[in-house]
Amino acid sequence: DTAVSQTPKYLVTQMGNDKSIKCEQNLGHDTMYWYKQDSKKFLKIMFSYNNKELIINETVPNRFSPKSPDKAHLNLHINSLELGDSAVYFCASSQDWRGGAWETQYFGPGTRLLVL
Amino acid sequence: KNEVEQSPQNLTAQEGEFITINCSYSVGISALHWLQQHPGGGIVSLFMLSSGKKKHGRLIATINIQEKHSSLHITASHPRDSAVYICAVGGPGGGADGLTFGKGTHLIIQP
Repeated sequence: DTAVSQTPKYLVTQMGNDKSIKCEQNLGHDTMYWYKQDSKKFLKIMFSYNNKELIINETVPNRFSPKSPDKAHLNLHINSLELGDSAVYFCASSQDWRGGAWETQYFGPGTRLLVL
Repeated sequence: KNEVEQSPQNLTAQEGEFITINCSYSVGISALHWLQQHPGGGIVSLFMLSSGKKKHGRLIATINIQEKHSSLHITASHPRDSAVYICAVGGPGGGADGLTFGKGTHLIIQP
């Protein structure tokens, strides 16, 4: 069984479009994260949610909006896509928000976004 | 904001060699993670530690809180260990601080 899944795996789109990436975890975890990995393979946290509540919101353009319909899902919606948004986006989950950084994180397979 | 430095950036070694990857950080942390990113892109958490030493198979991770330094060791390295190893630290506020990542160490083990 897949612990953390993301869809789609690959996403190729034109500048200016709006797209969503979905993430689901079946581990019963309370906390979920979105990370961005740039072309130099550098990972950076974007958002963190605990039990559907936003905990971390790093300096990310307003065009990025996370949505958590329930604690097992954290989707990422991106408006007006730009060339610089091309990256790999990883979803992750961990057991507990207060221990979020103390707990082991489980990563999804990543979504490779290419904006043309 | 924590600064996380890893060394070396790239490491090529022969099968069987003992490997050490280092990670230093600038500010007190709640925990330190070692992650492995496979050539295919998937990320796996290897260790999470806040003190002392942990061992899993051929992998050993140590941390010195006073010196703000951690090492990841691989004994009897094998070509399947070839991957990018990433150090990440959790801020002192725990989950609310998220993780700050190093730039990774690209390890290649040649047969």
